[in-house]
Amino acid sequence: EVQLVESGGGLVQPGGSLRLSCAASGFTFSSYEMNWVRQAPGKGLEWVSYISSSGSTIYYADSVKGRFTISRDNAKNSLYLQMNSLRAEDTAVYYCARCPHDFWGGCNWFDPWGQGTLVTVSS
Amino acid sequence: DIVMTQSPDSLAVSLGERATINCKSSQSVLYSSNNKNYLAWYQQKPGQPPKLLIYWASTRESGVPDRFSGSGSGTDFTLTISSLQAEDVAVYYCQQYYSTLSYTFGQGTKLEIK
Repeated sequence: EVQLVESGGGLVQPGGSLRLSCAASGFTFSSYEMNWVRQAPGKGLEWVSYISSSGSTIYYADSVKGRFTISRDNAKNSLYLQMNSLRAEDTAVYYCARCPHDFWGGCNWFDPWGQGTLVTVSS
Repeated sequence: DIVMTQSPDSLAVSLGERATINCKSSQSVLYSSNNKNYLAWYQQKPGQPPKLLIYWASTRESGVPDRFSGSGSGTDFTLTISSLQAEDVAVYYCQQYYSTLSYTFGQGTKLEIK
């Protein structure tokens, strides 16, 4: 069974840092592009960051560029999100999500998603 | 960024009746080279992550009941549930992937039982 399990969320003060992890199982992690997507409490979905299967290509949403760093360890089947200079508006559930393989290539839709980990930025 | 706008924001439908959710993109998500619409639909139940329902605007994901269907092209899309079941109560989101690596979602439509 394909499974993604996030961890590392919690309460952090504004300006602080946090590192999220996503443990993957049930598929060949090193063959798949991955993403982080977040959802503020009671709000909609916002794509945060993308990383290619090898880790050589990385993209960020403008809202987190320069503050967040995505990375992966294919030997450990793990995806990470280092979050620095956190702000109140970063408060959200953070999901890791896989890009399924498709004939037309590229990272298109997201499936599956992990259960998410809650990050709360507050003093 | 491509802005995705869903309507309505909330919807109440009787069991067994049809539910229709609309999604409009601020620019076309139809890629001319392959004639595909770069649009997906997700279902999110309370306390759960989003679940993929439909991709390429009308291709149903494996295991998704056939009462769910997607249609539309260019900038206007529709998710239809042909006969609403109690387990379909959820928030539904559309997502464009035409603008690769600048993915955007609609604001969500909350579907309830009337």
